[in-house]
Amino acid sequence: QVQLQESGPGLVKPSQTLSLTCTVSGDSISSGSYYWNWIRQPAGRGLEWVGRTHTRGSTNYHPSLKSRVTISLDTSKNQFSLKMSSVTAADTAVYYCARGGAEDYYHMDVWGKGTTVTVSS
Amino acid sequence: DIQMAQSPSTLSASVGDRVTITCRASQSISTWLAWFQQEPGKAPKLLIYKASNLQSGVPSRFSGSGSGTEFTLTISSLQPDDFATYYCQQYETLYTFGQGTKLEIK
Repeated sequence: QVQLQESGPGLVKPSQTLSLTCTVSGDSISSGSYYWNWIRQPAGRGLEWVGRTHTRGSTNYHPSLKSRVTISLDTSKNQFSLKMSSVTAADTAVYYCARGGAEDYYHMDVWGKGTTVTVSS
Repeated sequence: DIQMAQSPSTLSASVGDRVTITCRASQSISTWLAWFQQEPGKAPKLLIYKASNLQSGVPSRFSGSGSGTEFTLTISSLQPDDFATYYCQQYETLYTFGQGTKLEIK
């Protein structure tokens, strides 16, 4: 079955760019019609959707983050990535990647285990 | 933006109890609603999609109902593994999560 795995630096300095990758296994990221999402969760708090990219490359972002976020696909590596610029301590969180349907269904059904990112000097 | 409000924020209950969690949307989302369970240190797990459909492998004691702006998640007879935090999520327009309901042992 499809599995997702997040990876990237666990520590990022303030004002720098956070870069994370989600590797998809068990199926091709370019097959079917799906949305590939990033969601984050600060310690002890709730879930916040960050943004998504479609199998065919279109993107949507959370309104409050869209000026700082870029999500893209790398079909050659079966991965998608998140870049968030000008980070502050408020961006410290566990970051999850998740698959959502875009045609036959629309909910998020497969999640990665998450990766912790701390923004600190 | 569509806002989601869950209640209660915390719920204390005992094994065997029947519990209900409510989620309200700021505008109609038809039945584009999912429920997730999250245990400490783990990723959210999909329980219910399209308001009332049980995800494969999820025990039948979980059920969901509602449409429009008001939704409920019911656990018919609490088991020890059910003490966790529950989130609703709308996916009518992009995605928004509720703030979560922590289900605690009484």
